Amino acid sequence: EAEVAQSPRYKITEKSQAVAFWCDPISGHATLYWYRQILGQGPELLVQFQDESVVDDSQLPKDRFSAERLKGVDSTLKIQPAELGDSAMYLCASSIGTPEQFFGPGTRLTVL
Amino acid sequence: AQRVTQPEKLLSVFKGAPVELKCNYSYSGSPELFWYVQYSRQRLQLLLRHISRESIKGFTADLNKGETSFHLKKPFAQEEDSAMYYCALHRTGANNLFFGTGTRLTVIP
Repeated sequence: EAEVAQSPRYKITEKSQAVAFWCDPISGHATLYWYRQILGQGPELLVQFQDESVVDDSQLPKDRFSAERLKGVDSTLKIQPAELGDSAMYLCASSIGTPEQFFGPGTRLTVL
Repeated sequence: AQRVTQPEKLLSVFKGAPVELKCNYSYSGSPELFWYVQYSRQRLQLLLRHISRESIKGFTADLNKGETSFHLKKPFAQEEDSAMYYCALHRTGANNLFFGTGTRLTVIP
């Protein structure tokens, strides 16, 4: 069964360093989402892609976060520089355009 | 603006007892509500959606527009129901989801 893949699963970094997360959605899923989930809270949408275009990045802290999906398939989310408050689970999800989203296992980021 | 409220962070019930996880929402558009579940060491996954009006794993949820609620119910809880449950609102214009803070359900044997 096709699944959303994410890497790395865990990342520990020091503040002010750069980090990057990768997501490979289910084949054929045009819509890709990046979420941040802080401990004890629900997932919060950071950025949404339709193919290679960003359709919603209203909650993305653009001074330090960037996201791309150059060929409309896999995607990278970058944080530079990382801050202590960025420690969270970063989830990727994809969909064919319906409300049902398929989630990856997430990347747990710890910033020291 | 939208809001999804899950008032209980933690909920414990005994096996065989009824369970209800509460969800209230606020949304200016036509609401589509979902329940997502995350079992231990598994991915977040869709449990059910209000438009299908189906029962999944014995769970049902009815959208009450008058009370702006979408509570998740099951008449007899099972140990395997222990998980984290998130209520989510689909923002139709943006085609994305707005999640509540979640409720951790523990079913006591």
